[in-house]
Amino acid sequence: EAQVTQNPRYLITVTGKKLTVTCSQNMNHEYMSWYRQDPGLGLRQIYYSMNVEVTDKGDVPEGYKVSRKEKRNFPLILESPSPNQTSLYFCACRFVDNNSPLHFGNGTRLTVT
Amino acid sequence: AQSVTQLDSQVPVFEEAPVELRCNYSSSVSVYLFWYVQYPNQGLQLLLKYLSGSTLVKGINGFEAEFNKSQTSFHLRKPSVHISDTAEYFCAVSATGTASKLTFGTGTRLQVTL
Repeated sequence: EAQVTQNPRYLITVTGKKLTVTCSQNMNHEYMSWYRQDPGLGLRQIYYSMNVEVTDKGDVPEGYKVSRKEKRNFPLILESPSPNQTSLYFCACRFVDNNSPLHFGNGTRLTVT
Repeated sequence: AQSVTQLDSQVPVFEEAPVELRCNYSSSVSVYLFWYVQYPNQGLQLLLKYLSGSTLVKGINGFEAEFNKSQTSFHLRKPSVHISDTAEYFCAVSATGTASKLTFGTGTRLQVTL
């Protein structure tokens, strides 16, 4: 079954404590992306990757890092989380052609206190 | 750059009534248009997409959308909604071409009641 798997689903942490949200896909998609979803703001892109070892900033990259060492994995790293990063995060992937649909994970709800 | 406007943040509707969710976009180049649906506690999934050709696009669960280039709109419609259609709906746009990003609207919450 085609899947985008994010872990964890829920995470509560404190300011400044480094964390990683993992994302893995089994569809052999070249393109992967991270979004955050906030009420009234829709989805905003954090970072994306067109292929292995190729990453680029999206609209709201500050405070986040990513890596793409393997095609299937695209972890999101918060080196020093702050309360304004409390949000619902989604990983998504697709083939490199942008007329192909995005496939989303089920989300990670992060709370930073 | 592209932008998307979903003017209605919430749309309440009774079951079996028709519904239209509005989406307007802005772009100086040719675009692809998408509608995604998000059910509670889930990620987004594709409802339908317009790439080229016929301006009336049919998607899953009985939804359809019409691309109107002159009005830069891509409104989503369903002739008769069901309780299970309660969800958040996102319109999205990207320029044609490999490297263009997908820009989402702010979403419309469809609330279907008996």
